[in-house]
Amino acid sequence: EVQVVESGGGLVQPGGSLRLSCAASGFTFNNFWMSWVRQAPGKGLEWVANIKKDGSETYYVDSVKGRFTISRDNAKNSLYLQMNSLRAEDTAVYYCAREPAAVGMTFDYWGQGTLVTVSS
Amino acid sequence: VIWMTQSPSLLSASPGDRVTISCRMSQGISNYLAWYHQKSGKAPELLIYAASTLQRGAPSRFSGRGFGTEFTLTISRLQSEDTGTFYCQQYYSFPPTFGQGTKVEI
Repeated sequence: EVQVVESGGGLVQPGGSLRLSCAASGFTFNNFWMSWVRQAPGKGLEWVANIKKDGSETYYVDSVKGRFTISRDNAKNSLYLQMNSLRAEDTAVYYCAREPAAVGMTFDYWGQGTLVTVSS
Repeated sequence: VIWMTQSPSLLSASPGDRVTISCRMSQGISNYLAWYHQKSGKAPELLIYAASTLQRGAPSRFSGRGFGTEFTLTISRLQSEDTGTFYCQQYYSFPPTFGQGTKVEI
């Protein structure tokens, strides 16, 4: 069974940092691009970043460029999101999501999400 | 950035009804469109990709149509478990973007 499980969310002050993790199982992790997608409270979905199968390419939405870093450890079947210089507008549930092979940037498996709250 | 307009924002219907949700693009995206269903407090689930291809495991009462700038998601016979919010998503151009959502109440 395909599973992705996020962790690492919490309350952080503006300007602070947080590292999210996503543990994947039930599929060959290094065969898939992976993404982070977020959802502010009561709002819609926003794609944040993704990373190539081997980690050699990464892409970001403009609002997080230079502040967030996506990475992966294929030996540990894990995906990460290092978030620095956090702002109130980064408050959201962050989902780890798998991009299905040969389809394009859609998301076929999602974790349950981890809540990040940026507040003083 | 491609802008997307979903309509309606809120849809109230009864079990067994046939309902249709629309998604309009600010520019043509071929068939690079997906639909998701999100139940309250849960992660979204992929229903349809490539505008009309049903995701494995998604119920057959869901169907998608469209090409270019106009797309629709139809639920042939609404069931109580279809409550929640439906989102369209384009993946024709970077960054991928989502519609604002259609909340379905049953």
